Amino acid sequence: DTEVTQTPKHLVMGMTNKKSLKCEQHMGHRAMYWYKQKAKKPPELMFVYSYEKLSINESVPSRFSPECPNSSLLNLHLHALQPEDSALYLCASSQQGLETQYFGPGTRLLVL
Amino acid sequence: AQTVTQSQPEMSVQEAETVTLSCTYDTSENNYYLFWYKQPPSRQMILVIRQEAYKQQNATENRFSVNFQKAAKSFSLKISDSQLGDTAMYFCAFDGGTSYGKLTFGQGTILTVHP
Repeated sequence: DTEVTQTPKHLVMGMTNKKSLKCEQHMGHRAMYWYKQKAKKPPELMFVYSYEKLSINESVPSRFSPECPNSSLLNLHLHALQPEDSALYLCASSQQGLETQYFGPGTRLLVL
Repeated sequence: AQTVTQSQPEMSVQEAETVTLSCTYDTSENNYYLFWYKQPPSRQMILVIRQEAYKQQNATENRFSVNFQKAAKSFSLKISDSQLGDTAMYFCAFDGGTSYGKLTFGQGTILTVHP
């Protein structure tokens, strides 16, 4: 089973809202990732968690706040977003670094 | 820093024919992995094939195969017997060395398979 699930599939939020994206995997993977993807562009790495600790933060604005409550779950908390933050947000997981990353279906976010 | 270049923004092929997507990369590392990912219009990113740099044999997965030229830093994807379901954006990606766990993607190639 190589499934990574993400909820919600779609999200519309205003610039003053607070919302959260959720990602879950049950493959026993110890590394989890958040990416942002604009249309017809490659994914851009935002955060990497390794063994439930934040190991990479790609200088992401503080309005994005990641959280890894346990080894199977990854959240991305959103607050005071800008319209330019509208994108597809992808979660991925891998056994560890230098291993295949498996992607979820993504959450399509629209900020009004 | 590693870079990955896909020089073909768009390609098209007739059903049942063969097509090759190009990818070159630049790295000073010796131990790394290369990947081809497929992202169909439904937008879920799916692994197509993976190549470990230390392996000389080219990876193959059913209709998909790679031509890995380590010295030339080239990693092309060949799709044989193209099917309509192969229509997607294809990304070449690199993982290794100081970017351990951090995928570097190419800009992608949009492949359209025509009936």
